[in-house]
Amino acid sequence: GAGVSQTPSNKVTEKGKYVELRCDPISGHTALYWYRQSLGQGPEFLIYFQGTGAADDSGLPNDRFFAVRPEGSVSTLKIQRTERGDSAVYLCASSLVGLSTGELFFGEGSRLTVL
Amino acid sequence: EDQVTQSPEALRLQEGESSSLNCSYTVSGLRGLFWYRQDPGKGPEFLFTLYSAGEEKEKERLKATLTKKESFLHITAPKPEDSATYLCAVQAVEYGNKLVFGAGTILRVKS
Repeated sequence: GAGVSQTPSNKVTEKGKYVELRCDPISGHTALYWYRQSLGQGPEFLIYFQGTGAADDSGLPNDRFFAVRPEGSVSTLKIQRTERGDSAVYLCASSLVGLSTGELFFGEGSRLTVL
Repeated sequence: EDQVTQSPEALRLQEGESSSLNCSYTVSGLRGLFWYRQDPGKGPEFLFTLYSAGEEKEKERLKATLTKKESFLHITAPKPEDSATYLCAVQAVEYGNKLVFGAGTILRVKS
């Protein structure tokens, strides 16, 4: 596809369950970012990948959150033992080589609701 | 303490009524200031990057400017299709390779 693709677009789960959110970046983009956006707020940084490795995971709120990008393309954000406070839109973005090109391309997000 | 603050939180304009949105920042080593547009239910869409004080960029009815402490997004003769949330973000030495976003300004343009 031409843009960043995220699945699922909507996910409703119960407190305590495990959730996986997938991001398929633009082909050839080596940099991949995960952000989280709550209602009325700007996106909040979670983690940044350059290739297969997590170059900066300082935004992950706790050890229930984990993300992988095993082949340097698709990434999965994994949330264990979900809590109601995890409810938000999870945004993925990619760029050719990181912020040096000045632009991140965002997907439409995965809306997570924890009941 | 917020590093990136946007004002106003919301702005209602009549079609054709020009105005400006503000983004103030308190980071020290600014590498770039970014403006994004976000429509409801969508991801942010890139508009501009500004790198140094005095720089200006234009796109259709939008013009972004940058000083050492803040950036303005000027909207000239807006149309209803300009209605969206406008997000400001900064990249700074202290943040590495990530963008730190403000909370955004919700713009509504009525015909």
